[in-house]
Amino acid sequence: AQSVTQLDSQVPVFEEAPVELRCNYSSSVSVYLFWYVQYPNQGLQLLLKYLSGSTLVESINGFEAEFNKSQTSFHLRKPSVHISDTAEYFCAVSLVSSSNTGKLIFGQGTTLQVKP
Amino acid sequence: NAGVTQTPKFQVLKTGQSMTLQCAQDMNHEYMSWYRQDPGMGLRLIHYSVGAGITDQGEVPNGYNVSRSTTEDFPLRLLSAAPSQTSVYFCASRRGQGLAGANVLTFGAGSRLTVL
Repeated sequence: AQSVTQLDSQVPVFEEAPVELRCNYSSSVSVYLFWYVQYPNQGLQLLLKYLSGSTLVESINGFEAEFNKSQTSFHLRKPSVHISDTAEYFCAVSLVSSSNTGKLIFGQGTTLQVKP
Repeated sequence: NAGVTQTPKFQVLKTGQSMTLQCAQDMNHEYMSWYRQDPGMGLRLIHYSVGAGITDQGEVPNGYNVSRSTTEDFPLRLLSAAPSQTSVYFCASRRGQGLAGANVLTFGAGSRLTVL
Protein backbone atom coordinates (compact mmCIF):
# COMPACT_ATOMS: atom_id res chain seq x y z
CA ALA A 1 0.00 0.00 0.00
CA GLN A 2 1.06 3.56 -0.59
CA SER A 3 1.59 6.10 2.15
CA VAL A 4 2.77 9.66 2.58
CA THR A 5 4.61 10.99 5.62
CA GLN A 6 5.13 14.64 6.34
CA LEU A 7 7.86 14.72 8.91
CA ASP A 8 6.94 17.99 10.63
CA SER A 9 3.48 18.88 11.87
CA GLN A 10 4.43 22.53 12.47
CA VAL A 11 7.26 24.66 11.11
CA PRO A 12 7.70 28.12 12.64
CA VAL A 13 9.98 30.47 10.71
CA PHE A 14 10.73 34.18 10.60
CA GLU A 15 9.82 36.28 7.60
CA GLU A 16 12.46 36.29 4.84
CA ALA A 17 14.09 33.13 6.18
CA PRO A 18 14.36 29.96 4.06
CA VAL A 19 12.10 27.01 4.77
CA GLU A 20 11.90 23.32 3.88
CA LEU A 21 8.80 21.18 4.40
CA ARG A 22 9.64 17.51 4.24
CA CYS A 23 7.65 14.80 2.53
CA ASN A 24 8.48 11.12 2.11
CA TYR A 25 6.33 8.56 0.37
CA SER A 26 6.20 4.81 0.19
CA SER A 27 5.24 3.03 -3.02
CA SER A 28 6.50 0.07 -4.99
CA VAL A 29 5.13 1.50 -8.24
CA SER A 30 5.44 4.78 -10.10
CA VAL A 31 3.66 7.77 -8.62
CA TYR A 32 2.73 11.33 -9.38
CA LEU A 33 3.54 13.83 -6.64
CA PHE A 34 1.78 16.98 -5.53
CA TRP A 35 1.89 19.78 -2.99
CA TYR A 36 -1.38 21.45 -2.07
CA VAL A 37 -1.76 24.54 0.13
CA GLN A 38 -4.69 25.40 2.37
CA TYR A 39 -5.01 28.98 3.55
CA PRO A 40 -7.11 29.59 6.69
CA ASN A 41 -10.81 28.79 6.23
CA GLN A 42 -10.35 27.85 2.58
CA GLY A 43 -10.20 24.71 0.48
CA LEU A 44 -7.00 23.22 -0.85
CA GLN A 45 -5.24 24.66 -3.89
CA LEU A 46 -2.61 23.00 -6.04
CA LEU A 47 0.82 24.51 -5.40
CA LEU A 48 2.94 22.37 -7.70
CA LYS A 49 3.14 18.90 -9.17
CA TYR A 50 5.60 16.38 -10.53
CA LEU A 51 4.26 14.17 -13.32
CA SER A 52 7.39 13.47 -15.40
CA GLY A 53 10.48 15.13 -16.85
CA SER A 54 12.63 17.47 -14.77
CA THR A 55 12.73 16.43 -11.16
CA LEU A 56 12.75 20.06 -9.99
CA VAL A 57 9.37 21.75 -10.23
CA GLU A 58 8.47 25.32 -9.34
CA SER A 59 5.37 27.27 -8.41
CA ILE A 60 4.49 30.80 -9.46
CA ASN A 61 5.00 32.16 -5.93
CA GLY A 62 8.58 31.02 -5.40
CA PHE A 63 8.19 27.53 -3.97
CA GLU A 64 10.02 24.60 -5.48
CA ALA A 65 10.12 20.87 -4.87
CA GLU A 66 12.49 18.18 -6.01
CA PHE A 67 11.52 14.61 -6.72
CA ASN A 68 14.16 12.26 -5.37
CA LYS A 69 13.32 8.74 -6.44
CA SER A 70 16.16 7.04 -4.57
CA GLN A 71 15.14 8.67 -1.29
CA THR A 72 11.41 8.58 -2.11
CA SER A 73 11.12 12.22 -1.14
CA PHE A 74 9.46 15.34 -2.49
CA HIS A 75 10.53 18.13 -0.15
CA LEU A 76 9.12 21.64 -0.59
CA ARG A 77 11.44 24.64 -0.29
CA LYS A 78 11.32 28.40 -0.47
CA PRO A 79 14.43 30.60 -0.12
CA SER A 80 12.61 33.51 1.52
CA VAL A 81 9.13 33.26 3.03
CA HIS A 82 6.50 35.95 3.47
CA ILE A 83 3.80 36.40 6.08
CA SER A 84 1.28 35.51 3.38
CA ASP A 85 2.82 32.02 3.07
CA THR A 86 1.32 31.11 6.46
CA ALA A 87 -0.89 28.12 5.67
CA GLU A 88 -1.14 24.36 5.92
CA TYR A 89 0.72 22.40 3.27
CA PHE A 90 -0.19 18.90 2.14
CA CYS A 91 1.96 16.48 0.20
CA ALA A 92 0.04 13.93 -1.88
CA VAL A 93 0.68 11.05 -4.26
CA SER A 94 -1.32 9.15 -6.80
CA LEU A 95 -0.42 5.99 -8.64
CA VAL A 96 0.46 6.43 -12.28
CA SER A 97 -1.40 3.20 -13.01
CA SER A 98 -4.64 4.48 -11.48
CA SER A 99 -4.43 8.15 -12.34
CA ASN A 100 -7.74 7.92 -14.17
CA THR A 101 -9.49 7.20 -10.90
CA GLY A 102 -8.29 10.50 -9.47
CA LYS A 103 -7.46 8.97 -6.12
CA LEU A 104 -4.96 10.94 -4.07
CA ILE A 105 -3.23 9.84 -0.88
CA PHE A 106 -2.48 12.79 1.38
CA GLY A 107 0.06 13.28 4.10
CA GLN A 108 -0.92 14.57 7.52
CA GLY A 109 -0.17 18.18 6.68
CA THR A 110 2.46 20.70 7.85
CA THR A 111 1.46 24.04 9.28
CA LEU A 112 3.88 26.78 8.20
CA GLN A 113 3.83 29.70 10.63
CA VAL A 114 5.69 32.74 9.34
CA LYS A 115 6.50 35.25 12.06
CA PRO A 116 7.32 38.94 11.49
CA ASN B 1 -16.99 32.27 -10.67
CA ALA B 2 -16.60 28.75 -11.94
CA GLY B 3 -15.58 26.16 -9.40
CA VAL B 4 -16.80 23.71 -6.80
CA THR B 5 -19.63 24.88 -4.55
CA GLN B 6 -20.40 23.17 -1.25
CA THR B 7 -23.40 23.73 0.98
CA PRO B 8 -23.90 24.16 3.86
CA LYS B 9 -20.66 25.68 5.18
CA PHE B 10 -21.54 24.80 8.77
CA GLN B 11 -23.92 22.25 10.26
CA VAL B 12 -24.61 20.92 13.74
CA LEU B 13 -26.40 17.60 14.06
CA LYS B 14 -27.51 15.38 16.88
CA THR B 15 -26.46 11.76 16.99
CA GLY B 16 -28.73 9.68 14.77
CA GLN B 17 -29.90 12.50 12.55
CA SER B 18 -29.43 12.32 8.80
CA MET B 19 -28.36 15.02 6.39
CA THR B 20 -26.94 15.64 2.94
CA LEU B 21 -23.89 17.71 2.07
CA GLN B 22 -24.30 19.20 -1.37
CA CYS B 23 -21.55 19.57 -3.96
CA ALA B 24 -21.88 21.11 -7.41
CA GLN B 25 -19.31 21.96 -10.05
CA ASP B 26 -19.77 23.91 -13.27
CA MET B 27 -16.55 22.94 -15.02
CA ASN B 28 -17.90 19.79 -16.69
CA HIS B 29 -15.46 17.69 -14.68
CA GLU B 30 -16.00 13.96 -14.98
CA TYR B 31 -14.33 13.03 -11.71
CA MET B 32 -15.71 14.11 -8.33
CA SER B 33 -14.82 13.04 -4.83
CA TRP B 34 -15.44 13.61 -1.13
CA TYR B 35 -12.71 13.87 1.49
CA ARG B 36 -12.82 14.40 5.21
CA GLN B 37 -10.14 16.37 7.01
CA ASP B 38 -9.26 15.61 10.61
CA PRO B 39 -6.42 17.11 12.68
CA GLY B 40 -3.16 15.20 12.28
CA MET B 41 -4.64 12.84 9.70
CA GLY B 42 -4.62 14.87 6.53
CA LEU B 43 -7.40 14.24 4.05
CA ARG B 44 -8.98 10.83 3.64
CA LEU B 45 -11.04 9.79 0.64
CA ILE B 46 -14.63 8.83 1.42
CA HIS B 47 -16.23 8.18 -1.98
CA TYR B 48 -15.51 9.12 -5.54
CA SER B 49 -17.14 9.08 -8.96
CA VAL B 50 -15.55 8.89 -12.40
CA GLY B 51 -18.74 9.92 -14.18
CA ALA B 52 -22.51 10.12 -13.97
CA GLY B 53 -23.99 6.89 -12.69
CA ILE B 54 -20.65 5.54 -11.44
CA THR B 55 -19.49 5.71 -7.82
CA ASP B 56 -16.94 3.82 -5.77
CA GLN B 57 -15.67 3.66 -2.21
CA GLY B 58 -12.57 5.35 -0.94
CA GLU B 59 -10.58 4.82 2.22
CA VAL B 60 -13.29 5.61 4.80
CA PRO B 61 -16.74 4.99 3.26
CA ASN B 62 -18.62 3.59 6.26
CA GLY B 63 -21.58 5.70 7.34
CA TYR B 64 -21.74 7.64 4.08
CA ASN B 65 -23.68 7.23 0.84
CA VAL B 66 -23.26 8.97 -2.49
CA SER B 67 -24.97 9.09 -5.85
CA ARG B 68 -24.10 10.76 -9.16
CA SER B 69 -27.20 11.31 -11.27
CA THR B 70 -25.72 14.27 -13.17
CA THR B 71 -22.22 15.39 -14.13
CA GLU B 72 -22.59 18.54 -12.04
CA ASP B 73 -23.76 17.19 -8.66
CA PHE B 74 -22.29 14.76 -6.17
CA PRO B 75 -24.15 14.82 -2.81
CA LEU B 76 -22.81 13.08 0.29
CA ARG B 77 -25.40 11.58 2.63
CA LEU B 78 -24.96 10.77 6.29
CA LEU B 79 -27.63 8.23 7.13
CA SER B 80 -27.32 8.24 10.93
CA ALA B 81 -24.80 10.77 12.16
CA ALA B 82 -22.26 9.78 14.82
CA PRO B 83 -19.83 11.95 16.82
CA SER B 84 -16.97 10.25 14.94
CA GLN B 85 -18.23 11.98 11.81
CA THR B 86 -17.47 15.40 13.24
CA SER B 87 -15.04 16.74 10.65
CA VAL B 88 -14.49 19.16 7.81
CA TYR B 89 -15.67 17.75 4.51
CA PHE B 90 -14.25 18.72 1.15
CA CYS B 91 -15.64 18.03 -2.27
CA ALA B 92 -13.15 18.00 -5.15
CA SER B 93 -13.35 17.56 -8.88
CA ARG B 94 -10.84 16.96 -11.61
CA ARG B 95 -10.47 18.07 -15.17
CA GLY B 96 -9.33 16.04 -18.09
CA GLN B 97 -7.86 12.63 -18.59
CA GLY B 98 -4.36 11.36 -19.06
CA LEU B 99 -1.07 12.84 -18.01
CA ALA B 100 -1.86 16.52 -18.38
CA GLY B 101 -4.87 16.38 -16.13
CA ALA B 102 -3.54 13.78 -13.77
CA ASN B 103 -5.20 14.41 -10.44
CA VAL B 104 -5.12 18.20 -10.40
CA LEU B 105 -8.07 18.50 -8.08
CA THR B 106 -10.20 21.61 -7.65
CA PHE B 107 -11.52 21.78 -4.10
CA GLY B 108 -14.59 23.38 -2.64
CA ALA B 109 -14.34 25.65 0.40
CA GLY B 110 -15.41 22.91 2.80
CA SER B 111 -18.34 22.04 5.05
CA ARG B 112 -17.74 21.93 8.80
CA LEU B 113 -19.94 19.32 10.47
CA THR B 114 -20.35 18.86 14.21
CA VAL B 115 -22.24 15.87 15.56
CA LEU B 116 -23.28 16.13 19.21
